[in-house]
Amino acid sequence: DGGITQSPKYLFRKEGQNVTLSCEQNLNHDAMYWYRQDPGQGLRLIYYSQIVNDFQKGDIAEGYSVSREKKESFPLTVTSAQKNPTAFYLCASSIGEGTEAFFGQGTRLTVV
Amino acid sequence: QKEVEQNSGPLSVPEGAIASLNCTYSDRGSQSFFWYRQYSGKSPELIMSIYSNGDKEDGRFTAQLNKASQYVSLLIRDSQPSDSATYLCAVKESSYKLIFGSGTRLLVRP
Repeated sequence: DGGITQSPKYLFRKEGQNVTLSCEQNLNHDAMYWYRQDPGQGLRLIYYSQIVNDFQKGDIAEGYSVSREKKESFPLTVTSAQKNPTAFYLCASSIGEGTEAFFGQGTRLTVV
Repeated sequence: QKEVEQNSGPLSVPEGAIASLNCTYSDRGSQSFFWYRQYSGKSPELIMSIYSNGDKEDGRFTAQLNKASQYVSLLIRDSQPSDSATYLCAVKESSYKLIFGSGTRLLVRP
């Protein structure tokens, strides 16, 4: 089945720890995105990548890091520098320039 | 200044009515516009995309775009209770940067 897979679905992190959220797609899409959604809010762009080995900061990149070593994979690391990481994290991909994006099922991160 | 603006709602309409959802954007160079539906606790799903001025219809949904006014809207005809969700407007500001509004919550009353 083609699609975007995010794992894990739920993640708990202790304060001060780094955690990595996985996002894999088998749609052969060039572009990939990470968004954060807080309760009752819209989606805020963290990072996006147009091609392998290239990525750009979105509106709220502080405290996050990404890599794009393979076309299929775009992992997001939430570092200890992110002071309020509890949120719903969504990964998306699109074929390329100007086209619509499709979403994975999301990862719900909670700091305990 | 927010880049993509939506009224947060809730917008309440009776079953069978037309629901009208609106969105404005700030980047005049934007070329691609999308509407997503999001049910509570789920990820967004694409409803419509629109790229040129005018109307685009798909079943009960019609997207309208006016680039001169920097305005995009979504009409839902014959609204059903299952349409109750949050509707997100999204704009591709550059070729790849995709920005979302905060969403409008729609409630369809049986």
